[in-house]
Amino acid sequence: GAGVSQSPRYKVAKRGQDVALRCDPISGHVSLFWYQQALGQGPEFLTYFQNEAQLDKSGLPSDRFFAERPEGSVSTLKIQRTQQEDSAVYLCASSLLNWRGRLAGSNEQFFGPGTRLTVL
Amino acid sequence: GDSVTQMEGPVTLSEEAFLTINCTYTATGYPSLFWYVQYPGEGLQLLLKATKADDKGSNKGFEATYRKETTSFHLEKGSVQVSDSAVYFCALPRDAGGTSYGKLTFGQGTILTVHP
Repeated sequence: GAGVSQSPRYKVAKRGQDVALRCDPISGHVSLFWYQQALGQGPEFLTYFQNEAQLDKSGLPSDRFFAERPEGSVSTLKIQRTQQEDSAVYLCASSLLNWRGRLAGSNEQFFGPGTRLTVL
Repeated sequence: GDSVTQMEGPVTLSEEAFLTINCTYTATGYPSLFWYVQYPGEGLQLLLKATKADDKGSNKGFEATYRKETTSFHLEKGSVQVSDSAVYFCALPRDAGGTSYGKLTFGQGTILTVHP
């Protein structure tokens, strides 16, 4: 079956532009995560959705970052007034887990290929 | 807070050499531990996992044993292949105020290059 897909795969933006990054999770997956991966680093958590509810946005670096998942499937990460330090790969992951799941901590997250954002 | 430390890279080996990538962690309790792999141009994939102390995860010839006494989860493979060239990440789920839904904290990654 289809895995997690993300679009666009590459995005170049001028400083100050707004960008929107899309994630299509695996059908039926309850949980959706966004991570930011800077060059040469491991991914860093940004935000988490259970269905359409954003339960954790503690990793969003500033109020310029906004994420939504209005129908509990597709999610969009929006970055307003992009800055050079926003340049990174943005990863989306989904899993079957919900926050009351007994498999908490052991359920697998399936990752998309990422969107590489370059801010000039 | 919870954290993961991986050995510095990159690691360059010849085909059929033995591989060890060190990973140590700091965490409350005994979380599950994971190794993810990122092949060139592809997304992160779960390579193996261990859900409790003394468990050994294994996949594709790779192994890692969850050792609580040394808080380690080192990745090993007895004979690497060129196709193993990738970036390897150690990870653990990070508890969020008591509601652990599995958001991950990753090590910085280790680049492995295997030459024929």
